[in-house]
Amino acid sequence: EIQMTQSPSSVSASVGDRVTISCRASQDIVTWLAWYQQRPGNAPKLLISAASTLHSGVPSRFSGSGSGTDFTLTITNLQPEDSAIYYCQQANSFPRTFGQGTRVDI
Amino acid sequence: QVQLQESGPGLVKPSETLSLACTISGGSIGLYFWSWVRQPAGQGLEWIGRVHVSGGTNYNPSLKSRVVMSLDTSKNVLYMKLASVTAADTAVYYCARDGHYNLESWGQGTLVSVSS
Repeated sequence: EIQMTQSPSSVSASVGDRVTISCRASQDIVTWLAWYQQRPGNAPKLLISAASTLHSGVPSRFSGSGSGTDFTLTITNLQPEDSAIYYCQQANSFPRTFGQGTRVDI
Repeated sequence: QVQLQESGPGLVKPSETLSLACTISGGSIGLYFWSWVRQPAGQGLEWIGRVHVSGGTNYNPSLKSRVVMSLDTSKNVLYMKLASVTAADTAVYYCARDGHYNLESWGQGTLVSVSS
């Protein structure tokens, strides 16, 4: 089973800031990585797939990068509605596994 | 725009079988895998498994001995049964459309508590 480790576990930032979240896989997952946003009380929502492909309707201030074992989610020009928990998920092998989540407080 | 809606009992007794349904609308059920993910209160996400209309399944080894997923294409409903539940199975259960490399659409989730 591939372990996914996110850092930091939480971050506090201000409107307009840039936030970077890291996700590390315990083995090479090529670019089979997705990012999700979960606002309080809501279901997760897909932001990015294949490490860097923005899902339909997701604002362009979200971006993803990385390959192999190290990946990054970047949010630029942070907005109040970006306050949420962000999860990475590997899709290279079964079982699919998620990172533990990163809370972004604004 | 696909929509998914989970339904279930809310409360299940220990050692019993949890049965959930997910009604799928607005999309072709046969083109995708359909997944279940759960989330204990205040914790992270755990992938349970997925099923295709062909009958193909992939289950999390940690739950494989207890879980069965199926699809009813005549009703556009996804099912999951989890046997021999314990308090550790208390969670919000989500169904999701599996785009093979991501979970692209999610239901709102249904809370299941395991308690006598």
